[in-house]
Amino acid sequence: QKEVEQNSGPLSVPEGAIASLNCTYSDRGSQSFFWYRQYSGKSPELIMSIYSNGDKEDGRFTAQLNKASQYVSLLIRDSQPSDSATYLCAVKVYDYKLSFGAGTTVTVRA
Amino acid sequence: DVKVTQSSRYLVKRTGEKVFLECVQDMDHENMFWYRQDPGLGLRLIYFSYDVKMKEKGDIPEGYSVSREKKERFSLILESASTNQTSMYLCASSSSSGDYGYTFGSGTRLTVV
Repeated sequence: QKEVEQNSGPLSVPEGAIASLNCTYSDRGSQSFFWYRQYSGKSPELIMSIYSNGDKEDGRFTAQLNKASQYVSLLIRDSQPSDSATYLCAVKVYDYKLSFGAGTTVTVRA
Repeated sequence: DVKVTQSSRYLVKRTGEKVFLECVQDMDHENMFWYRQDPGLGLRLIYFSYDVKMKEKGDIPEGYSVSREKKERFSLILESASTNQTSMYLCASSSSSGDYGYTFGSGTRLTVV
């Protein structure tokens, strides 16, 4: 079983819609969770971090964490063409090591 | 603005050459990492370092070595470059706990011909 799994995508949404990205992890003891955005040909950029159960909102982005279900998600509201990118879920698995999912590619159709 | 800087954005080398990729961070981070990223394979950890002169192998260390002589600098060395090492190489750094995630450099696109 992979440490971090994401819905494989690709995900295509119309402009203005909500994009929903999902991620599950295997280590029940994980405490820190991150979402990275990676534009084609560029490096990953941290956009959200979440540490407690519930929702965390930052602008049009909402991260949701459910430790009991070992599930973390990212919602992108009012999706814009500039949100077209690959989104990587990352989970701190022990000490300082992050485990990354394979990524979900999102395309926002104008 | 805090930064992780990789010395080259694009690099073309010949098979058999020794290749040095340099990474410098200005965040006083203890941990530094080298990844490669290939289509369909995601991020794969090559080596990491948690302190000066300390290094640990990641998932795919074969054909690579690293050097960390100063806290802010972490170098990746391809001892004898091969075409299967053509890839995007990403350097990252983090605090000792890793609680705030990693900060990535802009990446080096290496082509070995």
